[in-house]
Amino acid sequence: DAMVIQNPRYQVTQFGKPVTLSCSQTLNHNVMYWYQQKSSQAPKLLFHYYDKDFNNEADTPDNFQSRRPNTSFCFLDIRSPGLGDAAMYLCATSRDGGRTQYFGPGTRLTVL
Amino acid sequence: AQKVTQAQTEISVVEKEDVTLDCVYETRDTTYYLFWYKQPPSGELVFLIRRNSFDEQNEISGRYSWNFQKSTSSFNFTITASQVVDSAVYFCALATGGGNKLTFGTGTQLKVEL
Repeated sequence: DAMVIQNPRYQVTQFGKPVTLSCSQTLNHNVMYWYQQKSSQAPKLLFHYYDKDFNNEADTPDNFQSRRPNTSFCFLDIRSPGLGDAAMYLCATSRDGGRTQYFGPGTRLTVL
Repeated sequence: AQKVTQAQTEISVVEKEDVTLDCVYETRDTTYYLFWYKQPPSGELVFLIRRNSFDEQNEISGRYSWNFQKSTSSFNFTITASQVVDSAVYFCALATGGGNKLTFGTGTQLKVEL
C-alpha cells in the first residue's frame, strides 16, 4: 500500500544534541510537509517543500532545518533541541497545493 | 486570514449514541477546501473527508456523515451509533485556493464509553 513512513516512531535525545527525523513516501507526491504537535494542541506547520522549493513558516525557529534529497525522502533536523522542542513531529504529503494531505504515524521526540 | 473554530473541546457519549462535532470556518477566499481528520491515541492523523467550496452536497460514509452549509460557514460531522473505536481527537481544517497550508481547528476530543 502507498503510504507515508516516519522513522523512528520514538526518539529520545539530550538537551542540545542534534537529532534528525526522517520521512519517506511511496505516494509520489510532490509536496511534503513537517508539522510539530504539542500535547492537546493542533498540528503547527513548520515548513514544506513544493517539489524542490523550500518554504519556511515565518515563526519557525532557526533551530529547525529540513532537507529533501529526492521526491521520496524528507528530513527534519533539529540542531540544538531544547526542552520546549519535545513534541510529536508529523510528516505529510500531498499532490500539488490545496489538495488532501496524507500524514505519517509521527515521531514522538523526548528531550532529556 | 483563515480561521477554524471547534467550540467543543471534549464530548463524552455512551456507545450507540449519535454525536455531532461542530466546525465553523472563516475565509474571504471563494475557493477553499474543508477537511476532517481523526487522530486516535496512536497519534497518526487519519484523513476522513475533503469538501471543496463549490460542492455543498452532504455526504454519508457508513456511520459518518457531513453537513456542509456555506450560509452558516459550517462543516459539521455526525457519527451515528458511536462505537468505542470512534474515541479520538477530531480536527476540522481549511485550505484556501492553491495554498499549501492547512489551518486546523483546536480539535474535539470524543470519548465513547460502554
